[in-house]
This record gives sequence, structure tokens and C-alpha cells, in this order.
Amino acid sequence: AQSVTQPDIHITVSEGASLELRCNYSYGATPYLFWYVQSPGQGLQLLLKYFSGDTLVQGIKGFEAEFKRSQSSFNLRKPSVHWSDAAEYFCAIGNYGQNFVFGPGTRLSVLP
Amino acid sequence: DADVTQTPRNRITKTGKRIMLECSQTKGHDRMYWYRQDPGLGLRLIYYSFDVKDINKGEISDGYSVSRQAQAKFSLSLESAIPNQTALYFCATSDRTSGEYNEQFFGPGTRLTVL
Repeated sequence: AQSVTQPDIHITVSEGASLELRCNYSYGATPYLFWYVQSPGQGLQLLLKYFSGDTLVQGIKGFEAEFKRSQSSFNLRKPSVHWSDAAEYFCAIGNYGQNFVFGPGTRLSVLP
Repeated sequence: DADVTQTPRNRITKTGKRIMLECSQTKGHDRMYWYRQDPGLGLRLIYYSFDVKDINKGEISDGYSVSRQAQAKFSLSLESAIPNQTALYFCATSDRTSGEYNEQFFGPGTRLTVL
């Protein structure tokens, strides 16, 4: 069975600092990986997705993620965090013919 | 107007009451999903539907039922609500015709409290 872990429940960074949110997955075949963001009181918005090809994926709002098969990871990064990035971030895995499995989420707080 | 809408946005009810949460979409997608979100658990799939005649149980379907009234409408019912069904509920859609691994589009959520 596929599964997703996000080791960090809550991360606090200062505005302008770099950010890395961790995501590890368990799946026997090639995974299809996603990062979603949930702003307070909002639904989930897709930041980026990886299906195949280049392992460094660019997304919206200046985010990127790198797929590392050897580490079963798909970490999300941003070089300079803005106060508006404060939100909850979910990593998810999907595969052919089946449904998404979401990680538990990482809540990001941004200090001014 | 939002592509995926959910009504109501907030609901407080009592134990034992029947509750229906509704989801409508204007995206023309064939697939629809219901999830619940609990702190520290992420989103868990309750039911999903790949077309009007196709309904499938997800990870946590006990205590819930669904109805796909039309391609654009997918309702979630709690026949007899209990306090541990207090959660944030999300509806989502996706489009099979664009591939199996598509992005899911989410509604704004319904916050349900069962007293």
C-alpha cells in the first residue's frame, strides 16, 4: 500500500528565509507526487506535481520540489519565504487507477 | 464564480441528526470525491465516484453515504451524526479524460460540528 509521511508537523521561519518541507513516500512503483497548499479557511490549491522526466519541478508562487527516488522523497523548497506563504502544506501520492493518499500536513508559520 | 462549491460552509448539529452536505461543480469533470480533514491526519477519502453510475467506498466510509445526482452534483450524508464526525469536509473533482494522474480540484470545505 502506498503511504506518505511529512515528518514536520509545524515549521516556523522568518520572512525572507529559505524553506524546505519534507515529504517521504512508500510505493513499489513509480509514484505520481503532488504538493498542495491550504491557506486558512480555504480549500486546497495545487502547487506542483511530478509524473516523470526532470526530477526538479517548478510550481506556482516560486515553489519547487525535487524528486529523489533513492531517498523516496519529494521535498518542497522556496528560496525566500513571504508572509503570505503561511499555510498548511500537504504532500500527496497517486498512481494509476487509484486515488490520492495525502500526508498529514505541515503547518508553516512566518515571522515578520 | 467558484468551479467547485460546497453547501453549507458551516453546520452545527446534534448527535443523531441526519445531515447532508452538497457539492456542485461547473468544471465538467467526471470524477468527484469526498474527503474529511482532521488535524494531524491530513485528508482521508470517504467516497468517490468516477461517473454517475459508479460509487466507491474510500478509506473511511462507515457512517457515511453518498449520492451522485448528476455529473455535476455529489452529496454526502451522515444518517445519524456522531461527535467524532466533527471535521472539515472537502469535495474534489478530477478529469479522467486528461489522464489518470490528474490534479484534483477542491471546494472551499464544509466545517461540521456534531454536539
